[in-house]
Amino acid sequence: AQSVTQPDIHITVSEGASLELRCNYSYGATPYLFWYVQSPGQGLQLLLKYFSGDTLVQGIKGFEAEFKRSQSSFNLRKPSVHWSDAAEYFCAMEYGNKLVFGAGTILRVKS
Amino acid sequence: DTEVTQTPKHLVMGMTNKKSLKCEQHMGHRAMYWYKQKAKKPPELMFVYSYEKLSINESVPSRFSPECPNSSLLNLHLHALQPEDSALYLCASSQERSGPTITQYFGPGTRLTVL
Repeated sequence: AQSVTQPDIHITVSEGASLELRCNYSYGATPYLFWYVQSPGQGLQLLLKYFSGDTLVQGIKGFEAEFKRSQSSFNLRKPSVHWSDAAEYFCAMEYGNKLVFGAGTILRVKS
Repeated sequence: DTEVTQTPKHLVMGMTNKKSLKCEQHMGHRAMYWYKQKAKKPPELMFVYSYEKLSINESVPSRFSPECPNSSLLNLHLHALQPEDSALYLCASSQERSGPTITQYFGPGTRLTVL
């Protein structure tokens, strides 16, 4: 079945450290992939998206993600995390004209 | 501008009340969505409107009634809700419903509490 897996429920990183959030998808073709961020009690904000072409995608707030077909992955990265990045991050895939979301990863940033 | 607005921000209602949630976008998007999100969970799709017509109802109970009066506006009418319906209700819109145009932009949500 088509699905999105985010293996890490929680991740804690120190401010200024690098970050990688994992996302794996299950789909027979090349999917459309998205990363969203959600602060507590807020809506989802689109960070970046991948449709085709260059497999390294740049987004807002200094985030980037790399599409790796061989690993069915679309991991989100940031070289230096700021305290304001603490939030929940959702990876999503378009399937059947809907978005299929992963379970989310909660990022905690320690000072 | 990728703004979707939702009102009210917070809503408390009793199980016998009737209330409505409102969502608005002025991006010219032709698809609009309602999601329900419980704490620590991803959003769950409830309804999809495409060109002002209901195209998907994810087996949502009839106590939730969506309405799309025009291409910019989406309402969710609530009646006889249960406490378990308490959640964050998110609205989203996209240019179209397929391919790259499915990129969805979300509103800030309405926090609903049913007493």
